[in-house]
Amino acid sequence: SAVISQKPSRDICQRGTSLTIQCQVDSQVTMMFWYRQQPGQSLTLIATANQGSEATYESGFVIDKFPISRPNLTFSTLTVSNMSPEDSSIYLCSVVGAPDTGELFFGEGSRLTVL
Amino acid sequence: AQSVTQLDSQVPVFEEAPVELRCNYSSSVSVYLFWYVQYPNQGLQLLLKYLSGSTLVESINGFEAEFNKSQTSFHLRKPSVHISDTAEYFCAVSDGGSSYKLIFGSGTRLLVRP
Repeated sequence: SAVISQKPSRDICQRGTSLTIQCQVDSQVTMMFWYRQQPGQSLTLIATANQGSEATYESGFVIDKFPISRPNLTFSTLTVSNMSPEDSSIYLCSVVGAPDTGELFFGEGSRLTVL
Repeated sequence: AQSVTQLDSQVPVFEEAPVELRCNYSSSVSVYLFWYVQYPNQGLQLLLKYLSGSTLVESINGFEAEFNKSQTSFHLRKPSVHISDTAEYFCAVSDGGSSYKLIFGSGTRLLVRP
């Protein structure tokens, strides 16, 4: 299984600021995924990040709000821009666990609180 | 599009009692099914999965789930729970293929009391 490290693990942010979350994987992976877990809710896929191409965003999520970088096969960043209290969530990075099965491994998440 | 329903938002149970967490999914030609567990202040961990073959799958810590195609269900069970099983449990489904997109249920909080 892949080891996924996320930074920061938690942060408290001010309204209107932006924060970049880093995701580091201990092996090379083609696809990385960013999920959001709002308080008391389930996980929602924000976007899929493939190395060497633009991220693919799910309905309701836009690049201006959640820009993603994928500079190489082991690293990705998600920026939450112009934050508001509604962006207070856990943001999770994930990678494919086993090919063609849909199984994903998740990082421990980055818990953001926006005041 | 696929959807996943977890009917119970919270399930309180006494230690050593049996428990069942329910999960139903919308039908599809073929699906892969998963249960993930999230312990307090931690990320998600895969608990067990159904990909193919035997419809009964087990985890290393005593949980089991049975894939029932006719009822489109994948309920999670444990015959005797422990305090340490207190966590949020998420059922998820994937169509497989190249999208790797997981659809999650709303989660069930298992609260084990002494």
